[in-house]
Amino acid sequence: RKEVEQDPGPFNVPEGATVAFNCTYSNSASQSFFWYRQDCRKEPKLLMSVYSSGNEDGRFTAQLNRASQYISLLIRDSKLSDSATYLCVVKNTGKLIFGQGTTLQVKP
Amino acid sequence: EAGVTQSPTHLIKTRGQQATLRCSPISGHTSVYWYQQALGLGLQFLLWYDEGEERNRGNFPPRFSGRQFPNYSSELNVNALELEDSALYLCASGQGLNYGYTFGSGTRLTVV
Repeated sequence: RKEVEQDPGPFNVPEGATVAFNCTYSNSASQSFFWYRQDCRKEPKLLMSVYSSGNEDGRFTAQLNRASQYISLLIRDSKLSDSATYLCVVKNTGKLIFGQGTTLQVKP
Repeated sequence: EAGVTQSPTHLIKTRGQQATLRCSPISGHTSVYWYQQALGLGLQFLLWYDEGEERNRGNFPPRFSGRQFPNYSSELNVNALELEDSALYLCASGQGLNYGYTFGSGTRLTVV
């Protein structure tokens, strides 16, 4: 079983739609949690950290459920520029462990 | 402030040769992490260096090795290159439990 599991998608949505991504992690001792964004053939970039209390950054909302070992990302009012792969990431024993990523394609 | 820098951007090697990849972390960061991303696959953890010491290693053969210098820059060496080593090699630096890492733009290694 993979340490971090995500639905690879792709998710194809129209501009303005709301889309949600989920992931699960297997190690209950995982210490911190993040969402990264990766554009084609580029390096991953930190989108936001994820906390149990939930956190919001503009159109993006992230949530962590430690009991269920579940992480979510909600994108509201999708833009064409949101098209990318979204990586669910957990930090464990000092290293980041990446999910395979979920591909989002926003269409006009 | 300069980000994480990696060199070279691209590297083409022949099977059996050795490749050396370089990384400079963000100023003030003592930890450097190396990841491999083969085409169409996720990021796989390779190595973690901190304060000049190897702290953790991913599930890769010993021909993947590296070191960290006193100025915290790092080298990744891949010996006896195989075709399957063709990938994007990413270096990242970061400090603190609750902080993510910042990645460099990577070295694209092609083994022919």
